[in-house]
Parts: sequence; structure tokens; C-alpha cells
Amino acid sequence: QSVLTQPPSVSGAPGQRVTISCTGSSSNIGAGYDVHWYQQLPGTAPKLLIYGNSNRPSGVPDRFSGSKSGTSASLAITGLQAEDEADYYCQSYDSSLSEVFGTGTKVTVL
Amino acid sequence: QVQLQESGPGLVKPSQTLSLTCTVSGGSISSGGYYWSWIRQHPGKGLEWIGYIYYSGSTYYNPSLKSRVTISVDTSKNQFSLKLSSVTAADTAVYYCARELGYSSGYYFDYWGQGTLVTVSS
Repeated sequence: QSVLTQPPSVSGAPGQRVTISCTGSSSNIGAGYDVHWYQQLPGTAPKLLIYGNSNRPSGVPDRFSGSKSGTSASLAITGLQAEDEADYYCQSYDSSLSEVFGTGTKVTVL
Repeated sequence: QVQLQESGPGLVKPSQTLSLTCTVSGGSISSGGYYWSWIRQHPGKGLEWIGYIYYSGSTYYNPSLKSRVTISVDTSKNQFSLKLSSVTAADTAVYYCARELGYSSGYYFDYWGQGTLVTVSS
């Protein structure tokens, strides 16, 4: 029931910059609802990474940044590190479906 | 630091009711200001929001699961619970409880439990 679309995978070498897109529609991101991002390390629960499109909770490195435009949002990881290898999910609110998550993106550090 | 911990049976038979409890520590459910949610993740798949409850007892459920879901709260024990009826193998998933913050432009989940795997099988 994922209404937010993400690329299945992205990869990059250590130190590089990678971006993950999250594409929604006029009933969620395009309606003005904020986008939030979660990091899920293997075998663990998701962890809040970015809230309110671009805000980092305390303790999240500034290598992670978020942005939103129109019906899409993006998560950028600069200076990619081995410990960033994880699944990443975007999340927003949909006027018909309530809280919705993205399809998820696996980040691989080469 | 808020912590959440899921508990309940790891195996449920088809057609029966799945029951899980989330115990909250480091913060009081009855203090208000937050919603208390259940989210699940099918094996190897993405995340699906199930529903939430407020300390007052008001609830809101995912429309796709609404007919089978009941979420309740026990503020005296600082716990909230999930019941999912008439389960099938398609309900096999890791179930997470989480604290949800709502504001004018949306909702997000700032604290999560570690998750518990529930398998539906005879």
C-alpha cells in the first residue's frame, strides 16, 4: 500500500554523495504535508533520521540532509560511510490513507 | 529517554486474534501531546502503519485494516495494546510500537520499540 515511491537501491563509494528520492502525489507531499526519513540498520528497528523535511534530531550527523519540492522529497548523504549501509524510508501523511511510508531504498557502500 | 517494548505471542493460528502489548518507560502516556502507534513490516518488505491511540482513548486506524484492528490503552500500566482479528498468513510480520508526534503539517514517529515477529501458522 506504499503510495510514496523510492528507488529500490542506490550505491556509492566511501566519501561520495548519494541521494534518495521520494515521489508522492497531490494527496500527500503535494498537499503540503511534511516528509520524514528513517534509517533501518540490518536487524534493527527504524530510527528517525530527518523530520519536517529537513530537520535532524539530536545526534544525527549533519552528513544527512533532507529537502522537499512539489510532490517529491530527497534525502542526501554526503561523505558516505560504511555504517550508512542500511534501508531508508520516507514517510508522510496522505489525506485519504493517513500515515504512509515509502517503498524503501537500500543503500550500499561499495 | 523514552523506551518502548513490545510483548506477546510470537505464533498465532489462522483465524485467531493477534494480541500485542507495548510498555512505555521514560515517559507517561497520560501526559498527552503524543499519539501511540502500531506499525508492521512484512518479512523483507516495507513499513505499514496500523493505527494509533491517544491517552484519552481516541483512536485512528489505517483504512485497509480498520475492520480488524482494535487499539486500547491502559494509562495505569503505561501500556497500549493491539488486537488484530481473523489473521491469515498475510499478517505475518514484525510488529513495532512507536511514539507519534502530530503537528500542523503532518505526523512522524520519534521513538520505536525493537519490534516483535509474529508468525501466523497452524
